[in-house]
Amino acid sequence: RKEVEQDPGPFNVPEGATVAFNCTYSNSASQSFFWYRQDCRKEPKLLMSVYSSGNEDGRFTAQLNRASQYISLLIRDSKLSDSATYLCVFRGSSNTGKLIFGQGTTLQVKP
Amino acid sequence: DAGVIQSPRHEVTEMGQEVTLRCKPISGHDYLFWYRQTMMRGLELLIYFNNNVPIDDSGMPEDRFSAKMPNASFSTLKIQPSEPRDSAVYFCASSLTGTVYEQYFGPGTRLTVT
Repeated sequence: RKEVEQDPGPFNVPEGATVAFNCTYSNSASQSFFWYRQDCRKEPKLLMSVYSSGNEDGRFTAQLNRASQYISLLIRDSKLSDSATYLCVFRGSSNTGKLIFGQGTTLQVKP
Repeated sequence: DAGVIQSPRHEVTEMGQEVTLRCKPISGHDYLFWYRQTMMRGLELLIYFNNNVPIDDSGMPEDRFSAKMPNASFSTLKIQPSEPRDSAVYFCASSLTGTVYEQYFGPGTRLTVT
């Protein structure tokens, strides 16, 4: 089983739509979770951390479900500029710098 | 402030040749990471350094790959000899202790081995 699994998409949605991505992980000992964003032919950039209680950053909401071992990202009121690949990322323990990246979910927001 | 700098941005070489990729991390960052990204395998960590010391090289594919960090502002990833299956985008990233999960990536080097 892969350490991180994401639906690659693409998710094609109209502007203004709400879209959600899930990501499952296999290592129950995973400590920290993040979402990174990667634009086409660009480098990945940290979008947001994922906290156990769930957290929001503007139109973006991230949630963690440890029991079912998945994290989610919800984007409300999608903008054309949200078109990108969203990478699910986790860190195995607090004493390692190693991050494990999922393959990414591609979002295309259409006018 | 300058971000992570990588060179070259593009490299095309023939199988069997030596390839050297270069990275300058963000000044003051004490972690440096080398990643490889392909369509098939996604983004894979090859090796990372903390304070110029290699900490985890378990992702280095084989002996053809080597990485060095002679000082806090420079690192190299070398492939010798290169093979077509090494074709990928190689990213360097850096971060700070305390926020090591917030990695700042360079623009990448797109390597093509023919």
